[in-house]
Amino acid sequence: GAVVSQHPSRVICKSGTSVKIECRSLDFQATTMFWYRQFPKKSLMLMATSNEGSKATYEQGVEKDKFLINHASLTLSTLTVTSAHPEDSSFYICSARDWVSHEQYFGPGTRLTVT
Amino acid sequence: EDQVTQSPEALRLQEGESSSLNCSYTVSGLRGLFWYRQDPGKGPEFLFTLYSAGEEKEKERLKATLTKKESFLHITAPKPEDSATYLCAVPLGGNQFYFGTGTSLTVIP
Repeated sequence: GAVVSQHPSRVICKSGTSVKIECRSLDFQATTMFWYRQFPKKSLMLMATSNEGSKATYEQGVEKDKFLINHASLTLSTLTVTSAHPEDSSFYICSARDWVSHEQYFGPGTRLTVT
Repeated sequence: EDQVTQSPEALRLQEGESSSLNCSYTVSGLRGLFWYRQDPGKGPEFLFTLYSAGEEKEKERLKATLTKKESFLHITAPKPEDSATYLCAVPLGGNQFYFGTGTSLTVIP
């Protein structure tokens, strides 16, 4: 099956710093990628939809200046958490939509801890 | 308002004890219902897609069924390695998914 990778898998950063998370589709091209956030024992909450070559679409309540998304190529989207605070600590998961099959595949997730 | 609800929130089974997980939805113009398995600290792993009422799909000890209002994930003679959180999701257009809250399944040896 199609593979989506995320890097890093875990990151610990200090409050006020910025952290970049990468999401890559390894064996297919993805015109659309999605970023989710998941709190402990909760379901996935869609944060934003990332479209290759255009601006991301953010869900209501998600600060676009805090969560910067870049989808510069058909295989890579990045999420940058700017000026991170402890409340940003969470599990961030990306997914990528195969532009041929339209199926959606999920990455393994990134655990962010802000101290 | 579109909504996806899963029950129970948590389920403990003895090894070999069959049961079912429920996913109820109120979505206009359903374009498929997806089941995923999520292990702790990992992303969701695709299990099934169901598109029309009456459809059934099977994979090993799992069988998913769909009606016009809900979907069931039947687990037959579960094993400890089936322990995970099971999520259902429906697409809302543009292939973004609305996820249910999940059922945390624990199978005790």
